[in-house]
Amino acid sequence: GAGVSQSPRYKVAKRGQDVALRCDPISGHVSLFWYQQALGQGPEFLTYFQNEAQLDKSGLPSDRFFAERPEGSVSTLKIQRTQQEDSAVYLCASSPQYYEQYFGPGTRLTVT
Amino acid sequence: TQLLEQSPQFLSIQEGENLTVYCNSSSVFSSLQWYRQEPGEGPVLLVTVVTGGEVKKLKRLTFQFGDARKDSSLHITAAQPGDTGLYLCAGERESGGYQKVTFGTGTKLQVIP
Repeated sequence: GAGVSQSPRYKVAKRGQDVALRCDPISGHVSLFWYQQALGQGPEFLTYFQNEAQLDKSGLPSDRFFAERPEGSVSTLKIQRTQQEDSAVYLCASSPQYYEQYFGPGTRLTVT
Repeated sequence: TQLLEQSPQFLSIQEGENLTVYCNSSSVFSSLQWYRQEPGEGPVLLVTVVTGGEVKKLKRLTFQFGDARKDSSLHITAAQPGDTGLYLCAGERESGGYQKVTFGTGTKLQVIP
């Protein structure tokens, strides 16, 4: 079956622009996670959804970051007024059980 | 702040050599996973260890969970170029009413043919 997909794979934004990153999880997976990963580093937790409920958003670095999963499937991570420090790979993962996460390929965001 | 520190951060070895990667924390985890990530892709789960002292083997890879469930190691025997990648440990523990996963700092492995 299809794995987790993310789009776009690459995004270049000028500082101050808004961006929206999409995640299509594996069908039927209840849990969905967003992570931010710097080059060569481990992923840093951003937020967690169980179905449509956002149960943990403690990792979102500022109020410019917003995530939603309105119907409990597709999720969107939105970053408003992008800054250079937002440049990173944004990973989405889904899971049928909490500890077994399946990752998408990520979206590489570059803010110029 | 990373709760899980991995060492070494970088490792470049010749094909056929053995290596060990360490994952250490001051926190106790209910389970610990190891992932491998290749450039341009997301991490892929290799193994999950749950019991303190547990040892799991996956072909040439041996994973161990510390007795106190605070640390783990990954040993690779006779490394091959296909083992090249970023190795990540990830610990699961209860936080805010659910099981939260925290990733380690990563170990970048290069195996030279």
